[in-house]
Amino acid sequence: EVQLVESGGGLVQPGGSLRLSCAASGFTFSSYEMNWVRQAPGKGLEWVSYISSSGNTIYYADSVKGRFTISRDNAKNSLYLQMNSLRAEDTAVYYCARDLDILTGYGMDVWGQGTTVTVSS
Amino acid sequence: SYELTQPPSVSVSPGQTASITCSGDKLGDKYACWYQQKPGQSPVVVIYQDRKRPSGIPERFSGSNSGNTATLTISGTQAMDEADYYCQAWDSSTVVFGGGTKLTVL
Repeated sequence: EVQLVESGGGLVQPGGSLRLSCAASGFTFSSYEMNWVRQAPGKGLEWVSYISSSGNTIYYADSVKGRFTISRDNAKNSLYLQMNSLRAEDTAVYYCARDLDILTGYGMDVWGQGTTVTVSS
Repeated sequence: SYELTQPPSVSVSPGQTASITCSGDKLGDKYACWYQQKPGQSPVVVIYQDRKRPSGIPERFSGSNSGNTATLTISGTQAMDEADYYCQAWDSSTVVFGGGTKLTVL
């Protein structure tokens, strides 16, 4: 079964850090691009970051640039999101999602169940 | 930065056709995707590359994209189609989502 499972969410104080993980199974992880997408409570989807299948190309949303770092370990079939200098507005459910080729519109065809990050004092 | 605009809500009667629009500058020159999200669930892609349906998505879902507008059409809408729908495109090294449309089947 093709599956993505996120972990690492929790409650953190403003200015703190968290590292999210996404474990992939059931497909050849190294063949797929990956994304982090978040959804604040009661709000819409917001893209956070993208990483190419090799890890050589990375993009970030302006809202997280300089604070968040995406990475992957293809040998471990895992995707990561290091989140530093967290703010209240980073509170959201964070999803990892795979795509085959974002530039040619294949879309994100597999999503995890999400992990909740709450930034509050 | 690039923006995609969707109507906040659309209502449709069961069995009728629902159309959800997504507007963006020269969106027709880009690829559009559509996602369905039901309460408490992760999003599911229902249309990719403007008009293609992933396996398992019913034929009543269709898409088009031209000019500045992409459209998701649901023919013969069923109660199970009630959900939030998001359009998505790629622009200048950025993934952009529309604000979402709540589809109510009543």
